[in-house]
Amino acid sequence: GAGVSQTPSNKVTEKGKYVELRCDPISGHTALYWYRQSLGQGPEFLIYFQGTGAADDSGLPNDRFFAVRPEGSVSTLKIQRTERGDSAVYLCASSPGPNEKLFFGSGTQLSVL
Amino acid sequence: ILNVEQSPQSLHVQEGDSTNFTCSFPSSNFYALHWYRWETAKSPEALFVMTLNGDEKKKGRISATLNTKEGYSYLYIKGSQPEDSATYLCAFSGGYNKLIFGAGTRLAVHP
Repeated sequence: GAGVSQTPSNKVTEKGKYVELRCDPISGHTALYWYRQSLGQGPEFLIYFQGTGAADDSGLPNDRFFAVRPEGSVSTLKIQRTERGDSAVYLCASSPGPNEKLFFGSGTQLSVL
Repeated sequence: ILNVEQSPQSLHVQEGDSTNFTCSFPSSNFYALHWYRWETAKSPEALFVMTLNGDEKKKGRISATLNTKEGYSYLYIKGSQPEDSATYLCAFSGGYNKLIFGAGTRLAVHP
């Protein structure tokens, strides 16, 4: 079956612009996670959805970052007024339920010029 | 602040060598320890999820051990092959649905 799909795979934008990153999880997976990986570091937790609701958004760095999962499937991570420091690989993962192993997408490489 | 440390940062071995690396994590509020393999241009892939102190898991030539009392896990690769070249990530779970990842160990296996 299909794995976790993330689009776009690469996104280049200018400082100050708005971007949306999309994640399509494995069908039937109720848990969905967003992580961010900067060069030389491990993936950093951003937000966790259980169903449609954001159960834990403690990792979002500031109010420029927002994520939704309106129907409990596809999720969109939205970044307003992008800054150069937002450049990173944004990883999405899903799992059948909370506290189970994660199935990752191949990530979106975001570059803010 | 929860800290997960992995060592070494990078490792170069010859094909056929056996190797191991370490993950250190908080010994309090432990729920699970995950290992993932991340090959270049691919998605991270789960290797093991370990929950019990003293647990040992094996998948082919790769195995892992867990010591929750002292807060460490070892990952072993027996007879390394070039296709084992990847970044190996460990992640600590305190049971609150988010994983805290280490920075990874980058393994390069040379033919």
